[in-house]
This record gives sequence, structure tokens and C-alpha cells, in this order.
Amino acid sequence: GESVGLHLPTLSVQEGDNSIINCAYSNSASDYFIWYKQESGKGPQFIIDIRSNMDKRQGQRVTVLLNKTVKHLSLQIAATQPGDSAVYFCAENTGGFKTIFGAGTRLFVKA
Amino acid sequence: EAGVAQSPRYKIIEKRQSVAFWCNPISGHATLYWYQQILGQGPKLLIQFQNNGVVDDSQLPKDRFSAERLKGVDSTLKIQPAKLEDSAVYLCASSPIGGGRETQYFGPGTRLLVL
Repeated sequence: GESVGLHLPTLSVQEGDNSIINCAYSNSASDYFIWYKQESGKGPQFIIDIRSNMDKRQGQRVTVLLNKTVKHLSLQIAATQPGDSAVYFCAENTGGFKTIFGAGTRLFVKA
Repeated sequence: EAGVAQSPRYKIIEKRQSVAFWCNPISGHATLYWYQQILGQGPKLLIQFQNNGVVDDSQLPKDRFSAERLKGVDSTLKIQPAKLEDSAVYLCASSPIGGGRETQYFGPGTRLLVL
């Protein structure tokens, strides 16, 4: 869907705590989802992906959960570190060529 | 492996001027994407190439924006004439095959400011 402008949703966590970033996607036909991390002055960087035939996928310190019933995606980061501070985007794809990015969530990690 | 290269990194122009951005994708990647990212928003796809053919340019403002990918390798995106609302970061990305279900590798972007 359309983004909301300059004021990104923000999540502030203490170093060492777990972070959960949420995303609502728009198209019930979407069958592939990706989380990207974007640090200041850089392009988005792939973190983890999940296909619609799964409801959970784990990577190194990250877990993605998919709830197709309510069209909701979440990214969990374990033991959050200062280097995790960035803007996180979820993206969806319907199997066609176009990937649609969400508006993003800014994660601040307090030392 | 070298990443996606973009130039210039920054550009300041006045409205109604022209500007061009260049992108060199990861070697061997068939698909190249240009995105526009306005401050505080997610990237929005402008155009997608598969080799040197256009796959999707439905969100490209064709009255002022143009893009080409001659020889199916590097690409240029041009804005002529620029408007104030074109101020954004222009991201180039590439992927090995295309078709959607694969990781896109992004360059650092070109930050454009139109005065």
C-alpha cells in the first residue's frame, strides 16, 4: 500500500533485547516475502525471505513469521546489537515480476 | 564479487534541468531494476529490464523519465525536465534471473536534490 510519508514507525530497543518488527501486506495473492535492511546512505540489503507455503523461517539471529490469514509478516531479531540499527522493509511478490515494498520501520538500538 | 555500482552518488540540479544516472549491475545478472525512494518511504519500482528488454515500466513517468539498457549490461536513467518532486534517492538493483522470487542486490543509490 501507500506509505505514510516522512514519519516512519519507530521501534526503540535496548541492546541485547529481542526486537519484533511487524508488517501488514496488501495482496492476498502474494506468495513470496522478503525482509530488507537499509542503513543510512546505503541501498537495501537482503536479510531473509519466506514462501507462502511456510509460516516460519529462521536464519542467523533472525526469524520471519508469516500469518496468511491476517496478511501479517513479522521479523524477529534476537539479542539486538547496535549494528542492527537501520530501517527495515518488508516486500511482497505475487509471483510476477514486481516486488512491492512496504513503508519501513526504523529500529533504534540503545547501548 | 563486486556489487551493483551507481554514479554519481549525489546530484543537485535546478528544476527543468536534465539529469542522468548510471548503473552497472552484478556481472551475469539478467535482471536490472530502477527504484525511486522518496525520503521516509519504501522503494518504488520505476522500470525493470530482463536482459535488454523492458519487463515493467508501468510506474515510470514517461513524459519526463526514460531508461535504457543497451547490450543488456549497464543502464542509464534520465529525467528531463526535472521537477521538485523528483527529489529522491534513485536505487538500482539486479538479480540473477528475474521473475520475482529471488533476492535483489541493491547499489548505494544516487541522491538527487531538485531546487
